[in-house]
Amino acid sequence: EVQLVESGGGLVQPGGSLRLSCAASGFTFSDHYMDWVRQAPGKGLEWVGRIRNKANSYTTEFAASVKGRFTISRDDSKNSLYLQMNSLKTEDSAVYYCARPRSYDYYMDVWGKGTTVTVSS
Amino acid sequence: DIQLTQSPSFLSASVGDRVTITCRASQGISSYLAWYQQKPGKAPKLLIYAASTLQSGVPSRFSGSGSGTEFTLTISRLQPEDFATYYCQQRNSYPVTFGGGTKVEIK
Repeated sequence: EVQLVESGGGLVQPGGSLRLSCAASGFTFSDHYMDWVRQAPGKGLEWVGRIRNKANSYTTEFAASVKGRFTISRDDSKNSLYLQMNSLKTEDSAVYYCARPRSYDYYMDVWGKGTTVTVSS
Repeated sequence: DIQLTQSPSFLSASVGDRVTITCRASQGISSYLAWYQQKPGKAPKLLIYAASTLQSGVPSRFSGSGSGTEFTLTISRLQPEDFATYYCQQRNSYPVTFGGGTKVEIK
């Protein structure tokens, strides 16, 4: 079964850091780009960023709202994706989903259940 | 950045109704558009990609059309399980963006 499972969410103070993880199974993780998407309470979906595969040098793209504060990395040997979040703001509070863009057209066809990040003092 | 504007943001409909949701892009995105369905407390689900292609396993009452800057999602006969929020998403250029969502509720 194709599956993505996020972990690492929690309560953090403004200005703090947090690292989210996403464990992938059931597909060849190393072949795929991977995304992070978030959803603030009661709000819509916001794409956070993407990491490409090894063939594309693991390069990344980010939304302007997180650029310079968030980094995305991956460990293909562990089938794992990471989101390092620094200088967190209250507006970063959200459910964070990892999602798999399909390898041939990049539409996100597999999603995890999400992990909740709350930034509050 | 490409802005996606969905309308309406909320609609109330009855089982069996035909429902149409519109997504307008701030610039042309060819057919690089997807539609997702999200139910409360759940992850989004891919319904339609490339503007009009039904994702495997999605009922045929869902259809998509459009290209360039105007797109529509149609549900031909609304079923109880279709009450949810729907989002469009473009992958024409970075950053990837989503529309604001359309919540479909039971009348």
